[in-house]
Amino acid sequence: DAKTTQPTSMDCAEGRAANLPCNHSTISGNEYVYWYRQIHSQGPQYIIHGLKNNETNEMASLIITEDRKSSTLILPHATLRDTAVYYCIVRPNAGGTSYGKLTFGQGTILTVHP
Amino acid sequence: GAVVSQHPSWVICKSGTSVKIECRSLDFQATTMFWYRQFPKQSLMLMATSNEGSKATYEQGVEKDKFLINHASLTLSTLTVTSAHPEDSSFYICSARDPTGSGGYTFGSGTRLTVV
Repeated sequence: DAKTTQPTSMDCAEGRAANLPCNHSTISGNEYVYWYRQIHSQGPQYIIHGLKNNETNEMASLIITEDRKSSTLILPHATLRDTAVYYCIVRPNAGGTSYGKLTFGQGTILTVHP
Repeated sequence: GAVVSQHPSWVICKSGTSVKIECRSLDFQATTMFWYRQFPKQSLMLMATSNEGSKATYEQGVEKDKFLINHASLTLSTLTVTSAHPEDSSFYICSARDPTGSGGYTFGSGTRLTVV
């Protein structure tokens, strides 16, 4: 699976947008970009995923660059409860020996402050 | 959405004893489940892939005789830590593919194992 690079930590003011970047310059054509978050001492929570088009759901937006080498997760109005570790993962969506496996990097610790 | 229930949420055991952790998919069937381990201030590491009706597939460096995985039904996978030692103390998490078609994975709430 392609390796991802994320900043170690970020801060965001409550109510403002949180923009979390991720570099995945070695991503393959069949690999999707997934975002999960983990609140302290809980299991990870799925946020969003995409292939090449920008995606939006009730939790967040995902912006993928045209060359697919990087992406940004956007939490439009961050709240204190969004404080968590955010993981950017790339993996194929079907087939191959890597199918189904999620390889977690160190992620970004997002702290939302009042 | 799809829910994966993990039990117990925490357990303390003595060195040398065995501990069983259960992972259940609620109202959906999971032919494949995944077991992760997470040490303090570290990321999740995949330990093994649990396959219903067949042997689990272990990641490199994970002792299959120490971490016994059983996936006897389409809704239940168990991880047994045998002859536990303090270095096995960790946060164990299971997951299954979300059946709703979102492409994501649903995780259990995790089990905090402390071996004393």
